[in-house]
Amino acid sequence: DIQMTQSPSSLSASVGDRVTITCRASQGISNYVAWFQQKPGRAPKSLIYAASTLQSGVPSKFSGSGSGTDFTLTITSLQPEDFATYYCQQYNTYPYTFGQGTKLEFK
Amino acid sequence: QVQLVQSGAEVRKPGASVKVSCKTSGYTFSIYYIHWVRQAPGQGLEWMGIINPGDGSTTYAQRFQGRATMTRDTSTSTVYMELSSLKSEDSAVYYCARDDFWGQGTLVTVSS
Repeated sequence: DIQMTQSPSSLSASVGDRVTITCRASQGISNYVAWFQQKPGRAPKSLIYAASTLQSGVPSKFSGSGSGTDFTLTITSLQPEDFATYYCQQYNTYPYTFGQGTKLEFK
Repeated sequence: QVQLVQSGAEVRKPGASVKVSCKTSGYTFSIYYIHWVRQAPGQGLEWMGIINPGDGSTTYAQRFQGRATMTRDTSTSTVYMELSSLKSEDSAVYYCARDDFWGQGTLVTVSS
């Protein structure tokens, strides 16, 4: 199985900050990466697919990049509603696999 | 609008089976594959498998092969995930998901 290693596992930030979360695949996966946001007690929400394409309705403060094995999710101008857990997922090869998650918390 | 509405919470004893439903609406059922993902309490997301509603073909993660069965009913635009031989470690929230929309989740509790 392809391992997706996310870092950091937790991140403290303040309103207005810019943060970056990284995800490294154990082998090359082209750009078959998606990013999800999950708030406590809620289903995940799809943010980005194909490494850098925003889902409909997702604000442009979210951006993704990368190809091959290294990927990033960047969130600018953090607002209170952005504090959540973020997951990457590869969908290049079955079984599709998730990173372990990054919890974004108030500093 | 696109909706994936899952069945309600379930409690089962170890060794039993559970079948979770995911009723879809707002789009052409046969076009979008449906994933099943689970999340144990306080843990991350785990991909279980995928079904093609168009022809019913499935792919399962190895650890669920032989224990999970994903099916669909085209007449009601509903997909199902049945998990057998339940263990306490199967206690989790189970989600169905399109690539861009997720169901609300179904809590399955396995306890004697």
